[in-house]
Amino acid sequence: QQQVKQSPQSLIVQKGGISIINCAYENTAFDYFPWYQQFPGKGPALLIAIRPDVSEKKEGRFTISFNKSAKQFSLHIMDSQPGDSATYFCAASDSWGKLQFGAGTQVVVTP
Amino acid sequence: NAGVTQTPKFQVLKTGQSMTLQCAQDMNHNSMYWYRQDPGMGLRLIYYSASEGTTDKGEVPNGYNVSRLNKREFSLRLESAAPSQTSVYFCASRMDYEQYFGPGTRLTVT
Repeated sequence: QQQVKQSPQSLIVQKGGISIINCAYENTAFDYFPWYQQFPGKGPALLIAIRPDVSEKKEGRFTISFNKSAKQFSLHIMDSQPGDSATYFCAASDSWGKLQFGAGTQVVVTP
Repeated sequence: NAGVTQTPKFQVLKTGQSMTLQCAQDMNHNSMYWYRQDPGMGLRLIYYSASEGTTDKGEVPNGYNVSRLNKREFSLRLESAAPSQTSVYFCASRMDYEQYFGPGTRLTVT
C-alpha cells in the first residue's frame, strides 16, 4: 500500500493563481520530506524539501507547509506560471534515503 | 559535471530476454538507488546501495538484480524480462538528504 498519499491527481490553475497539493504519510520514522518536479521525458528534479522540525519553508514562489501532528504536508505554488506546468511528486524518506513517493499531481497552468 | 547518466535511453525486449541498465554518477556520492515509474503510481524503489560494496532490497525487488561496480556505477539487471517490467527506470544518487535523478530508461517488454 502507498505510504504517502497525494491529492489531487490533477489541477488546472490560471496564470497568477495559487496551486496547492497535499500529502499525508503514516510512517513516523520518515525524517525528510522533499517535493520533486518532473517534465515529460525527464527525470524528477528536487524542487524544495523540509525536515520535520520546521513547520514551513519558502523558496521563491514555492512554499512547503508541514504539520507533524497531523502527518500532513503541502506544496503551495504562488503566482503560478505556464512554465510551472509539470507533474509534482511529494515524497518522504527515512535515514537510509529510501524515498516513498506519492502518486503525483499533474499541474496545468493556463495563460 | 554530467551528474547522473543512464544508458540506454530506450530499450525494447522480448519476454524472457535479459539486459542490464547502466547508471553512473560523477558527484562522488556514496548512496545510489534504482526506481521504477509506472503511470499513476509515482516512483517505487527497486534496490539501493548505501555505499560501495553493499546493496539492499527496496519495495519491489522481485525479478531484478543489482551490482555496485564501484563508487561511480550501479547497474540493474533483468535476468528474464516480463511484460510487467515495462516501465521507466530511474537511477539516483544521494548527497546528505538530497537525491539527484538521471534522465531515465524507457523499457518495453513485449
